[in-house]
Amino acid sequence: AQSVSQHNHHVILSEAASLELGCNYSYGGTVNLFWYVQYPGQHLQLLLKYFSGDPLVKGIKGFEAEFIKSKFSFNLRKPSVQWSDTAEYFCAVNAKAGNMLTFGGGTRLMVKP
Amino acid sequence: DTAVSQTPKYLVTQMGNDKSIKCEQNLGHDTMYWYKQDSKKFLKIMFSYNNKELIINETVPNRFSPKSPDKAHLNLHINSLELGDSAVYFCASSQVPYRETQYFGPGTRLLVL
Repeated sequence: AQSVSQHNHHVILSEAASLELGCNYSYGGTVNLFWYVQYPGQHLQLLLKYFSGDPLVKGIKGFEAEFIKSKFSFNLRKPSVQWSDTAEYFCAVNAKAGNMLTFGGGTRLMVKP
Repeated sequence: DTAVSQTPKYLVTQMGNDKSIKCEQNLGHDTMYWYKQDSKKFLKIMFSYNNKELIINETVPNRFSPKSPDKAHLNLHINSLELGDSAVYFCASSQVPYRETQYFGPGTRLLVL
């Protein structure tokens, strides 16, 4: 069975700091990869996704993620965070051979103004 | 023109009661899902339906019964509510099962007293 790990449970940054959130998955085959964001009191929204092609994908609000197949990773990055990026971030993986979209445990990001 | 909507947004009820949560999507998607998000923000799939047919039923107590009257609706009925059912329940939809972006509803915050 596939699993997804997000090692950073809580991250606190000051505005303008750079962000990198880790995501590792355990499935050895072909995967689809997603990052979702949940702002306080709101529903999950898609930040970006990777299906194939260029392993560096760009999403909304200046976020990007890099798929490194050899490391089973899909880390999320942003060069300069803003207070409005305060939210919970979820990595999700779907094995193309399967039917399951598995979410990581989430990373709570707090950006101090 | 909300894409995925859920009602009610908040639900407070006593142990032992039966309650329903409704979900509707106007995206024309074939697949709908129910997720449970616990107090630690861990998000776990409960059910998914494709074209009104159940395709995934995770280890969920049979007190939970999804019903899909048509492709645009997936309701969740819960019998004999327990304290541990308190959580946020998210409905989602996608064009095909799992392998495409899922669009989430705003969530229903259920509190069982």
